[in-house]
Amino acid sequence: GAGVSQTPSNKVTEKGKYVELRCDPISGHTALYWYRQSLGQGPEFLIYFQGTGAADDSGLPNDRFFAVRPEGSVSTLKIQRTERGDSAVYLCASSPRLGSTYNEQFFGPGTRLTVL
Amino acid sequence: DAKTTQPNSMESNEEEPVHLPCNHSTISGTDYIHWYRQLPSQGPEYVIHGLTSNVNNRMASLAIAEDRKSSTLILHRATLRDAAVYYCILRGQSTSGTYKYIFGTGTRLKVLA
Repeated sequence: GAGVSQTPSNKVTEKGKYVELRCDPISGHTALYWYRQSLGQGPEFLIYFQGTGAADDSGLPNDRFFAVRPEGSVSTLKIQRTERGDSAVYLCASSPRLGSTYNEQFFGPGTRLTVL
Repeated sequence: DAKTTQPNSMESNEEEPVHLPCNHSTISGTDYIHWYRQLPSQGPEYVIHGLTSNVNNRMASLAIAEDRKSSTLILHRATLRDAAVYYCILRGQSTSGTYKYIFGTGTRLKVLA
């Protein structure tokens, strides 16, 4: 079946611009995660959705970052006034359900964001 | 969140077994040990997980120390396609119910033909 998809695969923008990154989770998965990965580092947690609500946004670095999941499926990560330090690969992952002690996360291929 | 320590890199010859170590001395009783790997230009993918007992699946085996302060991922016969960064992660649960992962820098495995 289809895995997690992310669009665009690459995004180049200029400092100060606004960007939106989209994540399509696996159908039926209720949990959705966003991570950010800088070069040479492991992924860093940003935000977690259970259904439509952001249950944990403790990883968002500042108020320029915002994410939504209005219908409990597709999610959009929004970055305002981009800075060069925002350049990274943004990964999305989904999981089947909350409450399982297992809860494998299925990751998408990521969106590579470059801020010039 | 409890942290893990892994060697930065390891090398293995093709068709030979590989043992990837992970130290997690501050693990709590409810933390699961998860292993993911990340192939070049891809998102991480699940490899295996365990709590206390050793585990086997089609990809690998996980050996967990009796005191749970360390574990070892075992690839029985490394292939060139196993070249990746391997992450050992402790999966706990926050008060919000999230099962977020705290990744370290992982071990970069190089497989030699």
